[in-house]
Amino acid sequence: GAVVSQHPSRVICKSGTSVKIECRSLDFQATTMFWYRQFPKQSLMLMATSNEGSKATYEQGVEKDKFLINHASLTLSTLTVTSAHPEDSSFYICSARETSYGYTFGSGTRLTVV
Amino acid sequence: DQQVKQNSPSLSVQEGRISILNCDYTNSMFDYFLWYKKYPAEGPTFLISISSIKDKNEDGRFTVFLNKSAKHLSLHIVPSQPGDSAVYFCAAIQYNAGNMLTFGGGTRLMVKP
Repeated sequence: GAVVSQHPSRVICKSGTSVKIECRSLDFQATTMFWYRQFPKQSLMLMATSNEGSKATYEQGVEKDKFLINHASLTLSTLTVTSAHPEDSSFYICSARETSYGYTFGSGTRLTVV
Repeated sequence: DQQVKQNSPSLSVQEGRISILNCDYTNSMFDYFLWYKKYPAEGPTFLISISSIKDKNEDGRFTVFLNKSAKHLSLHIVPSQPGDSAVYFCAAIQYNAGNMLTFGGGTRLMVKP
């Protein structure tokens, strides 16, 4: 089946630094990728939708300048958390849509900002 | 406005018994529903789905039932196994609204040996 590889699985960074999370579709081309954030014991909240070769579409309340999304190729999307602060600590998950209803999720990235 | 709701945050069942996880939705335009299973610190994995034109879909131990008039779906796991212990999310898609997934809040299932 479709596989989405997400790296790193966990990262600890200092407050004020930037962190990049990568999401790759390994055996299919993903024209659209989605980025989610999950707070402890809560549901997955869609942050943004990235389309290959165009600007990402952000959900209401998500800071575009803080969460930079790049989808430069059909198999790679990146999320960069800029000037990270402790409140950005969360579990970030990417998802790629292979078919109209076929979503495959990455394994997630646990970000801890200290 | 939470369009997909899972009102039970947790559920505990005995191994071998049936687990029933419920999900309610408010948007009558949803035309596809999915169930995902999620372990801590991992991404969700797809379990089973159902189209809005059907009322039942079965795959091994997993069966999803859809009641459109009640805007309710449920996931039945029979028999439940300890390895089924995880958080289960229901999700819905509206085809003509970008095909984005709308998730429920999740239900933590604990299957006791």
